[in-house]
Amino acid sequence: GIQVEQSPPDLILQEGANSTLRCNFSDSVNNLQWFHQNPWGQLINLFYIPSGTKQNGRLSATTVATERYSLLYISSSQTTDSGVYFCAVAPYNNDMRFGAGTRLTVKP
Amino acid sequence: KAGVTQTPRYLIKTRGQQVTLSCSPISGHRSVSWYQQTPGQGLQFLFEYFSETQRNKGNFPGRFSGRQFSNSRSEMNVSTLELGDSALYLCASSLNGRGQGSYTFGSGTRLTVV
Repeated sequence: GIQVEQSPPDLILQEGANSTLRCNFSDSVNNLQWFHQNPWGQLINLFYIPSGTKQNGRLSATTVATERYSLLYISSSQTTDSGVYFCAVAPYNNDMRFGAGTRLTVKP
Repeated sequence: KAGVTQTPRYLIKTRGQQVTLSCSPISGHRSVSWYQQTPGQGLQFLFEYFSETQRNKGNFPGRFSGRQFSNSRSEMNVSTLELGDSALYLCASSLNGRGQGSYTFGSGTRLTVV
């Protein structure tokens, strides 16, 4: 099955810093989403981005499908950005598969 | 519109018992996918239901089963519970499943097996 690798596994930042999270995948996909898991376990949908670039406030994401990777940018990080960020991909006509996540800690 | 509703939020069961979890998708969504999250294995796909039919199944033993009703609500059942079944169970709602379109997740059911 498809392999999804996220890096770095852990990231510690000072409030106000910028960060880039990466997601590599091993096969062609027709779906890619970024999620933030809050402390209560819910997966919050950040971006549906099988290709191209999107921005939402301090967050933006870029997927280069032909090179099989996606990047999530967080600018001016806040303590509330802490948590685990997951990338999930789906090959054509198949279900979503998740990476292991990046645990982000933003210190005040 | 209402989000994805999972019940119950928390559950404690004894080894050997069985458990049923419920997921109500977003209105109009016909696909429900189930995932198991554990610290050791991460988020793993269990199965996907669409129009009352299971279309895809992950690599889990037959003790894990599910069904979907005509109103798209889905239930998953785990029989003969083992300690290793302790996990956060998440369901996702989407229009048509099979990786098409955006998936929206519920808050999850945290199952503890003692």
